[in-house]
Parts: sequence; structure tokens; C-alpha cells
Amino acid sequence: SAVISQKPSRDICQRGTSLTIQCQVDSQVTMMFWYRQQPGQSLTLIATANQGSEATYESGFVIDKFPISRPNLTFSTLTVSNMSPEDSSIYLCSSRAGGLNHEQFFGPGTRLTVL
Amino acid sequence: AQSVTQLGSHVSVSEGALVLLRCNYSSSVPPYLFWYVQYPNQGLQLLLKYTSAATLVKGINGFEAEFKKSETSFHLTKPSAHMSDAAEYFCAVSSGAGSYQLTFGKGTKLSVIP
Repeated sequence: SAVISQKPSRDICQRGTSLTIQCQVDSQVTMMFWYRQQPGQSLTLIATANQGSEATYESGFVIDKFPISRPNLTFSTLTVSNMSPEDSSIYLCSSRAGGLNHEQFFGPGTRLTVL
Repeated sequence: AQSVTQLGSHVSVSEGALVLLRCNYSSSVPPYLFWYVQYPNQGLQLLLKYTSAATLVKGINGFEAEFKKSETSFHLTKPSAHMSDAAEYFCAVSSGAGSYQLTFGKGTKLSVIP
């Protein structure tokens, strides 16, 4: 299984600012995913990040608000732009195990509070 | 389209009692099914997975789940609850066929009463 780290682990930000979250995987993976987990809720997929192509966003999420980079097979970033209190959530990245495996392994999450 | 329904947002059991967390899915193709556990202030950890092999799947920490196609269910059980099992549990489905996205249920918070 892949080991995934995220930075920062938590942050408190002012409205109108942006935060970039980093996700590092200890092995090369083809697919990485970014999820949002709002307080007391389940996980909602924001986008799929493939190396060498633009991220694919789910309905309700747009690139201007959540730009994603995937410069190589072990790293991705998610930026939460022009933040508002409604963006206060836990943001998790995950990677797919590869091959025919469908399971995903998750990072510890970034707990974001927007004031 | 695929979806997951977890019955019961909160389940309480006594220590040593049976744990049963319910999950029903809908998928237009044979599904891949997963149970994840999330401890407070942590990410998700994979408990077990069903990938069309044995219908009874054993996972970590003594948990197991049975895939029942006729009931479109994948309930999670553990014979004897331990205090350390208190956490939130998420059922997830992936429909395969080249789509590797996971769709999660709303989660069930398990409390274990001493």
C-alpha cells in the first residue's frame, strides 16, 4: 500500500486568501484524487489528477476555485482559492493502487478553517 | 451511476457485543466494494475490499463483510466489539469498467460502550 503525506496538516486562513495543499506519495502512481469532507459529512470527490494532463473536475467544482497541479507521478497540489467560511473542511488526497486494483489509499487530510 | 446507502448514521454497541454496520449499493455493473475506517482527526484506512473473488471478505482488526448480490448489500460485521473500534466507518463502491472513482456512503459512527 502507498504511504501518503499531506502538508499542511491544518491551517486557519482569512477569507479571500488562498491555500495550497501538498500531497506526496511514496511510490509512483497513475491516478491521484482530491476529496473534500465537510464537517460531519462524507467524502465528496473534487477532481481526479492525472500526470501530464489537466485534472478532471466533478460537478460543482471548477478549476478557478480549486486549481490542481500534478507535475510528476508522486506529487500533487490542490489550491483552495479566494476562500470563504464555506470552504472550511478537511481536504484529503488519495492514490489508486494501480493495475486492476480499485482501492485507494488516503493521506491524513488537511483540516482547513476559514475565518 | 453508482450510489451507496449506509443505514444508521450512529450505532452504539456494548463492548464484546456484535458489530453490524449496514451498507447497500447500487451499480449498473459488477461493483468493487470497500469499507474504510476513520479514527478521529485521521485520514481513511482501508478495512477490507470485495473484488469479485470470495463473497465473504476478511479484513483487518477482526472485521469481515459479506457481498450479497441478490440483496445488493455489503454489511460489515465483527463478532466482539472493542473500545478501540470506536470510529466512523464508510462504505464505498467503484463501478469498474475503467472508472476508478469511489462513491462513498454518508458514514456510520460507531460508539462502543464499556
